[in-house]
Amino acid sequence: GDSVTQTEGLVTLTEGLPVMLNCTYQTIYSNPFLFWYVQHLNESPRLLLKSFTDNKRTEHQGFHATLHKSSSSFHLQKSSAQLSDSALYYCALSDLGTGSKLSFGKGAKLTVSP
Amino acid sequence: EAAVTQSPRNKVAVTGGKVTLSCNQTNNHNNMYWYRQDTGHGLRLIHYSYGAGSTEKGDIPDGYKASRPSQENFSLILELATPSQTSVYFCASGEGLGAETLYFGSGTRLTVL
Repeated sequence: GDSVTQTEGLVTLTEGLPVMLNCTYQTIYSNPFLFWYVQHLNESPRLLLKSFTDNKRTEHQGFHATLHKSSSSFHLQKSSAQLSDSALYYCALSDLGTGSKLSFGKGAKLTVSP
Repeated sequence: EAAVTQSPRNKVAVTGGKVTLSCNQTNNHNNMYWYRQDTGHGLRLIHYSYGAGSTEKGDIPDGYKASRPSQENFSLILELATPSQTSVYFCASGEGLGAETLYFGSGTRLTVL
């Protein structure tokens, strides 16, 4: 079945440094949709950005990601971390073969310190 | 106002007891989902539904049942609760398209003693 791998469980950064959270996926279908969801403390997950176009950069709220089907990756990046970016970040996958059902990675907890 | 509402927010249950978690959505979305969230496991899909009267098994359905009596309501039922089901449960709704956005409720924290 589909699977999503997020390699970093805990990420600690100093404010102002760049952010990169890794996401790779496996699917037997050829039309993957990739998502990043963010969950701040005591809140529910909400969509940060999504893409299904190969090699096209998608941006939202200072974050960006590019779907690379050749390497099955959808890494999340930001040029300069802010304290308010501290949150849990989930990469997720769906595809036309599974309809709308999302498969989530295990999440990466980002902590930004002053 | 919240479009996906879960109740209760917190629940303490005893082992072997029956627990029902409720979810109501006013988005008029076809799809609804139940996830559980555990540290180290992320969000795992328990059951989902494509519309009133339908329920489908997700990735970890054992020990859970689901009911979708209407477009708006989707319940998760634990007939015989166990301590391993202690978790935070999220309900979500989605438009039903291939790249749908999920809208999550505020979650229910369930503790099974």
